[in-house]
Amino acid sequence: GAGVSQTPSNKVTEKGKYVELRCDPISGHTALYWYRQSLGQGPEFLIYFQGTGAADDSGLPNDRFFAVRPEGSVSTLKIQRTERGDSAVYLCASSPTSGRASPNNEQFFGPGTRLTVL
Amino acid sequence: EDQVTQSPEALRLQEGESSSLNCSYTVSGLRGLFWYRQDPGKGPEFLFTLYSAGEEKEKERLKATLTKKESFLHITAPKPEDSATYLCAVQVTGNTPLVFGKGTRLSVIA
Repeated sequence: GAGVSQTPSNKVTEKGKYVELRCDPISGHTALYWYRQSLGQGPEFLIYFQGTGAADDSGLPNDRFFAVRPEGSVSTLKIQRTERGDSAVYLCASSPTSGRASPNNEQFFGPGTRLTVL
Repeated sequence: EDQVTQSPEALRLQEGESSSLNCSYTVSGLRGLFWYRQDPGKGPEFLFTLYSAGEEKEKERLKATLTKKESFLHITAPKPEDSATYLCAVQVTGNTPLVFGKGTRLSVIA
């Protein structure tokens, strides 16, 4: 079946602009995660959704970052007043579990969106 | 604070030269330890999940093992197509976000 998809694959914007990054999780996956990966680093957690609600947004760096998942499927990460330091690859992952501990809780990643803020 | 440290940062092997990658972790409680492979310009690709000390899993030339403080990814007779960054991550409870290490960049030379 189809994996996690993310659009756009690349986004170049100017400092101060607003951007939206989209994630389509694997069908039926209830958990959705956003991570950010800088060059030479591992992915760092931003926010986690269980269904439509944000279960944990402790990784969002500041209030310029916001994410939604209104129907429990597609999610959008929104960044206001972008800064050069926001440049990174933004990764989305989904997992099939519904909040109960399960051996089958692997997270499957999309290809990422490379954001460049000039 | 939950932490994951991977070593070495980079590893260069000749084709057929077996070796191991290390992932040491400090966590409040381990639900699972994950290994991912990441190719340049791609998202991480799931390899293994390990849940308890002593557990081992294998896939082709890769074998992952787990102790109470670290995990090893053993690569037997690697081929150039095994070249990638290998990421280790831990999960503290059932559905929480993963905490990643910085990865090991593996290069296998023919």
